[in-house]
Amino acid sequence: GNSVTQMEGPVTLSEEAFLTINCTYTATGYPSLFWYVQYPGEGLQLLLKATKADDKGSNKGFEATYRKETTSFHLEKGSVQVSDSAVYFCALTRPPYQLIWGAGTKLIIKP
Amino acid sequence: NAGVTQTPKFRILKIGQSMTLQCTQDMNHNYMYWYRQDPGMGLKLIYYSVGAGITDKGEVPNGYNVSRSTTEDFPLRLELAAPSQTSVYFCASSPPTGTNTEAFFGQGTRLTVV
Repeated sequence: GNSVTQMEGPVTLSEEAFLTINCTYTATGYPSLFWYVQYPGEGLQLLLKATKADDKGSNKGFEATYRKETTSFHLEKGSVQVSDSAVYFCALTRPPYQLIWGAGTKLIIKP
Repeated sequence: NAGVTQTPKFRILKIGQSMTLQCTQDMNHNYMYWYRQDPGMGLKLIYYSVGAGITDKGEVPNGYNVSRSTTEDFPLRLELAAPSQTSVYFCASSPPTGTNTEAFFGQGTRLTVV
């Protein structure tokens, strides 16, 4: 069945460091892929998405590329800020209605 | 622009008590969902609805019930609260315009059963 695996956290970085959070998936067909972010005390919100192979989603300096050959959708940012501290979730669609979620990766950025 | 609104934000229940978690959305979305999020875990789907009058079970429906009498509202009912239901509950909605559409989330309800 469809599933999502994320790297375990927490990930602790210093401000301005380069960020990678790994996400791999198993799926039948051609799902869409998402990264959601959850700031402390809030609900999840969409960070970026990609709907087909080789698509690159980007938002707020974050990027992720839909790699079908490696079944991956790794999240990257060139220079993180303290305000990026949050929990990041990778997800994929299972039509017609469902999102399959990774366990989430907590990111801590130290000044 | 309210989006998805959940109430209450926090609640403590005693074992065996019942309660309803309220969820309403003002975006005219057909699809609505209830998830629970346990510490260090991803989201587990409890129930979902594809439109008014239509509901169906997700991965972890036991101990819960839902109804969808209107497009806007999707309440989640706990009949006999158990400690295993201690969790953060999220309601979400999305439009039925394809599999690449975004889900919009409420701010969550933190429930503790003691």
